Amino acid sequence: ETGVTQSPTHLIKTRGQQVTLRCSSQSGHNTVSWYQQALGQGPQFIFQYYREEENGRGNFPPRFSGLQFPNYSSELNVNALELDDSALYLCASSLDAYNEQFFGPGTRLTVL
Amino acid sequence: GNSVTQMEGPVTLSEEAFLTINCTYTATGYPSLFWYVQYPGEGLQLLLKATKADDKGSNKGFEATYRKETTSFHLEKGSVQVSDSAVYFCALRNSGGGADGLTFGKGTHLIIQP
Repeated sequence: ETGVTQSPTHLIKTRGQQVTLRCSSQSGHNTVSWYQQALGQGPQFIFQYYREEENGRGNFPPRFSGLQFPNYSSELNVNALELDDSALYLCASSLDAYNEQFFGPGTRLTVL
Repeated sequence: GNSVTQMEGPVTLSEEAFLTINCTYTATGYPSLFWYVQYPGEGLQLLLKATKADDKGSNKGFEATYRKETTSFHLEKGSVQVSDSAVYFCALRNSGGGADGLTFGKGTHLIIQP
């Protein structure tokens, strides 16, 4: 059984650019959650997608947006990148919104 | 709102020492509580969980008891190994379900010396 995978592993962007991060959920999982983990901090919840609809959102501005596809894979899009967006972005999938979340290895985003 | 506070690290112990990592929380209602572990270069792995007061979660020799009266969920292990070196995160999720996501503490870096 394949676990949660994320791509790319690392990414370097400049301020003002846009970025798309990708996540493939574990087989059978229909829910994907995204988290931002700044250096030395715990992960912070960005939003959650359940069956292609956003069903929960943390305290992040609208320039953070997402998609979930029919195969339940997901994208996180960040527009107008700021230096503070530099972080490890973690994706987690679960059987549904109430079950254990399984995390991927993350994408390290650096904004210069 | 929800918050999780855990002891600052790094925590450095010798192999076979007793481990305690303190975690307290603030939440409305009756949250579920979790400990996650993050090894270098890897994502988070669920270590253990408890879903109601007085529940004890346990896994790989680690234990934590959900204490509603003290709003705590301290992580303990009787004899640590070098392989336990990692960053440990305490987290909670509202009892209403997962749509609010997990709320994490800042993490405690544990270093076990041989």
